[in-house]
Amino acid sequence: DTAVSQTPKYLVTQMGNDKSIKCEQNLGHDTMYWYKQDSKKFLKIMFSYNNKELIINETVPNRFSPKSPDKAHLNLHINSLELGDSAVYFCASSLRDPRDTQYFGPGTRLTVL
Amino acid sequence: QQQVKQSPQSLIVQKGGISIINCAYENTAFDYFPWYQQFPGKGPALLIAIRPDVSEKKEGRFTISFNKSAKQFSLHIMDSQPGDSATYFCAATHTGGFKTIFGAGTRLFVKA
Repeated sequence: DTAVSQTPKYLVTQMGNDKSIKCEQNLGHDTMYWYKQDSKKFLKIMFSYNNKELIINETVPNRFSPKSPDKAHLNLHINSLELGDSAVYFCASSLRDPRDTQYFGPGTRLTVL
Repeated sequence: QQQVKQSPQSLIVQKGGISIINCAYENTAFDYFPWYQQFPGKGPALLIAIRPDVSEKKEGRFTISFNKSAKQFSLHIMDSQPGDSATYFCAATHTGGFKTIFGAGTRLFVKA
């Protein structure tokens, strides 16, 4: 059983398009996150959600809109994609807060052409 | 603003040797310091973590040393193995701010 799953694994699209990445966790965790890992492997927090409520939006452009329909899901929708959005996006979850072990998904590699 | 500085960027160690990765932080509000290991094509996975009221934590071949006054912490991998070859990230968590800040990562290569 996969603890944190993401779909799709790869996403290739043109500039200006809109795309979504889905994330699901089956761990019963209260908190979910989105991270962006750039080409230099730098890993940066984008959003933190706790019990479906947005806690942290780490100066992410408005083109990025997370949506949490329930505690087990946190999807990421990106409007008007730009070249600089190319990266690997990781979803993660933890039991309650960031001090609990964060379990990461396998990542979604987004390439914007 | 890089709140967690990690060095070195890359590290090559002989099998059986000791790998040492260092990190420094700036924000005294950080209250939890995990290390993550990432293999190519995979998501990061928690390796070991320490809270600031402890100066050292050991789990198997992995040890974190923590110096609160200097705002520095390090990961030591004893008896390094080729299977340890991966990217290692130190991190610092601000529980009140509900976020974890990662260092830039260290690519470790253990030569057989």
